[in-house]
Amino acid sequence: ELKVEQNPLFLSMQEGKNYTIYCNYSTTSDRLYWYRQDPGKSLESLFVLLSNGAVKQEGRLMASLDTKARLSTLHITAAVHDLSATYFCAVVNTGTASKLTFGTGTRLQVTL
Amino acid sequence: GAGVSQSPSNKVTEKGKDVELRCDPISGHTALYWYRQSLGQGLEFLIYFQGNSAPDKSGLPSDRFSAERTGGSVSTLTIQRTQQEDSAVYLCASLNPGYGNTIYFGEGSWLTVV
Repeated sequence: ELKVEQNPLFLSMQEGKNYTIYCNYSTTSDRLYWYRQDPGKSLESLFVLLSNGAVKQEGRLMASLDTKARLSTLHITAAVHDLSATYFCAVVNTGTASKLTFGTGTRLQVTL
Repeated sequence: GAGVSQSPSNKVTEKGKDVELRCDPISGHTALYWYRQSLGQGLEFLIYFQGNSAPDKSGLPSDRFSAERTGGSVSTLTIQRTQQEDSAVYLCASLNPGYGNTIYFGEGSWLTVV
């Protein structure tokens, strides 16, 4: 059974600082997703990572994928308050069509 | 519509009643998912439809839960004899596997069982 773990579960950081959220998964995967969720809202797609070594960047967020280590990272550069949200990674298990298994989520709080 | 549409957006029901939640995926998207998110929790997979293939029902928590997808488009999630632990946000998502990999989520149906 595919397991997806994120850490940390909660992250409080100051504006202007850098930090990384980690996503580990237990079996081979075709694809890895990162989503953002604001309180009371649905999930907003941030990145889709398809291959080993894939790196994608959007604004202050950069995601990478190491399929050999079964690890993805979401790096936050010079955080701003607007990035406060919960971030989820989700993995598609090879051989299970497109079923997504989600991590536990990382609640990010950026303080002024 | 441009996105995944779900209805109702909010539903309050009495324990023991049946509820139906509707999902209208993005036009042309052949894959459709239902997930459940309890307050402050992660996302729990419920069911997955892909085209004409048999759905993956492995996430349905009990036989009170069922889902169907008519004509390969609209899907309905039905919860019979609702219990208080069914209170959650039910999220629908869709994907066109033949065109891109992004899975789009709807705004969710907030279900409260009293």
